[in-house]
Amino acid sequence: EVQLLESGGGLVQPGGSLRLSCAASGFTFSSYAMSWVRQAPGKGLEWVSAITSSGGSTYYADSVRGRFTISRDNSKNTLFLQMNSLSAEDTAVYYCAKPMRSNHFDYWGQGTLVTVSS
Amino acid sequence: EIVLTQSPATLSLSPGERATLSCRASQSVSSYLAWYQQKPGQAPRLLIYDASNRATGIPARFSGSGSGTDFTLTISSLEPEDFAVYYCQQRSSWPITFGQGTRLEIK
Repeated sequence: EVQLLESGGGLVQPGGSLRLSCAASGFTFSSYAMSWVRQAPGKGLEWVSAITSSGGSTYYADSVRGRFTISRDNSKNTLFLQMNSLSAEDTAVYYCAKPMRSNHFDYWGQGTLVTVSS
Repeated sequence: EIVLTQSPATLSLSPGERATLSCRASQSVSSYLAWYQQKPGQAPRLLIYDASNRATGIPARFSGSGSGTDFTLTISSLEPEDFAVYYCQQRSSWPITFGQGTRLEIK
């Protein structure tokens, strides 16, 4: 059974940093690209970032480029999102998502809430 | 960036009725469009991928159609558990984008 378990969310002050993790199991993690998708309270879904299976290529939404860094450790089946220079607009539930062979997401974690507030 | 516009924003129907949800892309996405269902407090659930393919375990009452810029999600006969928010998503080009969602509510 595929499982994605996010962690690392919490309350952080504006300008602060946070590192999210997503522990994957039930599939060959090293064979799949992975993404982070977020959802602000009461709002829609926003794709944030993606990384190829090897980690050799990364992609970012304009809203986070230069502030967030996606990475992965295939030896530990774990996906990361390093978030710097956080602002209130980054407040959201952050999901890690596994795509099918294409970039449609067939498995999602339960999400981790990031709240940016003073 | 490809903008996906969903309509209507809210759709009020009764169980047993047919639901038709629309997603329009600002430029062609070929058939690289998916539909998701999201219920309160839950992660999204993939319903349809590549415009018309049902994901594993999705009931046959859900169907998708379209290509290029205009897409439709049809629920043939609404069940009580179908009332939720629905999102479309394109994978044709970076960045991946989602529509703003259609809320399907009980009339």
